[in-house]
Amino acid sequence: GAVVSQHPSRVICKSGTSVKIECRSLDFQATTMFWYRQFPKQSLMLMATSNEGSKATYEQGVEKDKFLINHASLTLSTLTVTSAHPEDSSFYICSAVAGQVNTEAFFGQGTRLTVV
Amino acid sequence: AQSVTQLGSHVSVSEGALVLLRCNYSSSVPPYLFWYVQYPNQGLQLLLKYTTGATLVKGINGFEAEFKKSETSFHLTKPSAHMSDAAEYFCAVRGGFQKLVFGTGTRLLVSP
Repeated sequence: GAVVSQHPSRVICKSGTSVKIECRSLDFQATTMFWYRQFPKQSLMLMATSNEGSKATYEQGVEKDKFLINHASLTLSTLTVTSAHPEDSSFYICSAVAGQVNTEAFFGQGTRLTVV
Repeated sequence: AQSVTQLGSHVSVSEGALVLLRCNYSSSVPPYLFWYVQYPNQGLQLLLKYTTGATLVKGINGFEAEFKKSETSFHLTKPSAHMSDAAEYFCAVRGGFQKLVFGTGTRLLVSP
């Protein structure tokens, strides 16, 4: 299957700073990327959908000014957690799809963010 | 709107025993259904998927699932559990705009 690389796998940052997470499709062009948040022992919660070259679509309740998403190319999307606080600590996962209709989603390895 | 329900947050089996993880779905259109596995601190790996056609779907690592429209179910099975199968399993249904709607997950515990 196709490979999606997410970086970093773990990051610790101080409260009030910003942290950027990258999601790259290594061997295919990702028309759409999705960002999820997963709390301990819980399911994945979709945060936003990003399409290359356009603004991300955020799910209800997700602060777009806190979670900045950029999808500048067909192989890279970034999630920036701005002014991070301890409650932003979580596991963030991206996924990517290669087409417009009914194509398989491939997932990154996830990023464990800890805000201290 | 699409949704999935996974019955049982934890399932415990002995090594060599049958694995059965339950998933029921709700969908206003013919569903596309998926099972994913997640190991600790890792992303999701696709086990198998149902789109159209054959209702018994075979996946990786010996897993299979059967789509039963009459029961709105897509249960995951494996004839003989292995220690390496211990993980979190998620059932998902495709929603609009290629979004995936996940169930709450089932943790599979395998004892020797």
